[in-house]
Amino acid sequence: QKEVEQNSGPLSVPEGAIASLNCTYSDRGSQSFFWYRQYSGKSPELIMSIYSNGDKEDGRFTAQLNKASQYVSLLIRDSQPSDSATYLCAALNAGNNRKLIWGLGTSLAVNP
Amino acid sequence: DTEVTQTPKHLVMGMTNKKSLKCEQHMGHRAMYWYKQKAKKPPELMFVYSYEKLSINESVPSRFSPECPNSSLLNLHLHALQPEDSALYLCASTGDASNTQYFGPGTRLTVL
Repeated sequence: QKEVEQNSGPLSVPEGAIASLNCTYSDRGSQSFFWYRQYSGKSPELIMSIYSNGDKEDGRFTAQLNKASQYVSLLIRDSQPSDSATYLCAALNAGNNRKLIWGLGTSLAVNP
Repeated sequence: DTEVTQTPKHLVMGMTNKKSLKCEQHMGHRAMYWYKQKAKKPPELMFVYSYEKLSINESVPSRFSPECPNSSLLNLHLHALQPEDSALYLCASTGDASNTQYFGPGTRLTVL
């Protein structure tokens, strides 16, 4: 059974702090990983994709991938109340590149 | 432009009704997806069309019938649904060069 695991939260951070979201995956063959943000009642919005070991930065967001440890993370710097949402981690299924393996999501609350 | 559009935004239907959901993208993507999402759960894959052919059916009940009239359009025909089918229905698309899935805003379906 291929799985992606995330802490469900809620993760609560004060405004301006760094929020750290973590994800582990079981499919060692997975090569592509995605972070989606989802506000309540809305559709998932792509925040970051990462394919290579190391860090990838985009504005206040940094994704980190460690394939040896099968670990993906998302750091949000200078967290804002508007970042309060559920963050979904997904790994591309190595056996079928049309399928994503989803984590259950981490709920983030940024407190003013 | 990474826009996927879906209509309608909301739909209420009785168990004997027939209705359709529509999804459209003009990004030249050749794979399109239907997902179902219940509250506090990740998206659940239903169907995938690749180059206008059905490539994945995740054992979805026959009361859901997908159709891909052309490379930009995807429909989901609904008939004799059950109240438990009430959910957010999401469409997504992805190009060949990237396996990144971009989601539409979704259709909130309520079955009475």
